[in-house]
Amino acid sequence: AQSVTQLDSQVPVFEEAPVELRCNYSSSVSVYLFWYVQYPNQGLQLLLKYLSGSTLVKGINGFEAEFNKSQTSFHLRKPSVHISDTAEYFCAVPNTGGFKTIFGAGTRLFVKA
Amino acid sequence: DTGVSQNPRHKITKRGQNVTFRCDPISEHNRLYWYRQTLGQGPEFLTYFQNEAQLEKSRLLSDRFSAERPKGSFSTLEIQRTEQGDSAMYLCASSLAASYTDTQYFGPGTRLTVL
Repeated sequence: AQSVTQLDSQVPVFEEAPVELRCNYSSSVSVYLFWYVQYPNQGLQLLLKYLSGSTLVKGINGFEAEFNKSQTSFHLRKPSVHISDTAEYFCAVPNTGGFKTIFGAGTRLFVKA
Repeated sequence: DTGVSQNPRHKITKRGQNVTFRCDPISEHNRLYWYRQTLGQGPEFLTYFQNEAQLEKSRLLSDRFSAERPKGSFSTLEIQRTEQGDSAMYLCASSLAASYTDTQYFGPGTRLTVL
């Protein structure tokens, strides 16, 4: 069965600083991984997804993530964050046995001025 | 593409009452999903439809919960005899039918508070 674990529940960071949000996955089958973002009072929005190919995946809003098979990780990074990046970020994996998506518990990114 | 819409956005009800939520997916999307999100947690899968057929239900979906998608368009999620533990954000998402890796597009959610 697939699962994801987000290692940090909250990450405070100053504006223009780099940030890394950590995600580890567990899967016995082919690995596909997603990062979603949820802004306050809004629905979830896909940031990026890894399906195959290059292990470095670029997404929207300047975010990128690196798939690391040996460490079973899919950490999300941004070199310089903005106040507007304050949101909840979810790592997720599709259930290959069906069509549901399994989400991590989320990491709240709080960008301070 | 007007996105996924959900109504109402907020619902406050008393314990024991029935509530119904509506989701309108993106028009060309065949698949429609319902998730529940409680405070501090990620969304948890409840059920999904391909067109009008309900193909999978989570064990989270007790007998008090029922979902429909008549004619494969909008969907409704009904909770009967609500309990305080039902208080959560109920999210709807839709996607094209091609693959389980297809992007799911989420609505803004319906926040349910059971008093």
